[in-house]
Amino acid sequence: QVRLVQSGAELKKPGASVRVSCKASGYSFTTYAIHWVRQAPGQRLEWMGWISGGSGNTKYLQKFQDRGTISRDTSATTAYLELRGLRSEDTAVYYCARGALYDAFDIWGQGTMVTVSS
Amino acid sequence: EVVLTQSPATLSVSPGERATLSCTASQSVSSHLAWYQQKPGQAPRLLFYGASTRATGIPARFSGSGSGTEFTLTISSLQSGDFAVYYCQQYIHWPLTFGGGTKVEIK
Repeated sequence: QVRLVQSGAELKKPGASVRVSCKASGYSFTTYAIHWVRQAPGQRLEWMGWISGGSGNTKYLQKFQDRGTISRDTSATTAYLELRGLRSEDTAVYYCARGALYDAFDIWGQGTMVTVSS
Repeated sequence: EVVLTQSPATLSVSPGERATLSCTASQSVSSHLAWYQQKPGQAPRLLFYGASTRATGIPARFSGSGSGTEFTLTISSLQSGDFAVYYCQQYIHWPLTFGGGTKVEIK
């Protein structure tokens, strides 16, 4: 069974960093990319960036270029999203999703709630 | 970036009726458009890719059409499990973008 299982909810103070993990199982991890998408309360889905399947190249939405890092551990079949300099506007559910280049996201993680509050 | 505009924002429909949802792109995305369904507290679920190809397990009452800049998702006879928010997404131009969603609610 193809699955993406994410780490648990996080409560962070403004200025802190958070790292969310996404454990893949049931398929060849490096055949597909992993995308990260977030959804603030009541808002639309926002694509944040991806890490490609083969080479592990990354690409980010410009607003996350300086604060975000997407990485992976192929031996652990796990992808990571790190977001630094957290602010209240980063409060959202963060999802990982599987997708190839120029393809839709066919498998999603369950989501990780990140709350930024003092 | 490609802006996707979904209409209407909210659609009130009775069970058994037909629902038609629209997604308009600010520039051509060819057929590189997907539709997702999202229920409260859940992750999105892929319904269609390539504008009109049903994902695994999606029932035939759902259909997708369009290319270029105009796309449509149709649910022929709404069932109780279909009341949700529907998003379109383009995946050909960076950055990848989603529409604002259409909420399909019970009338």
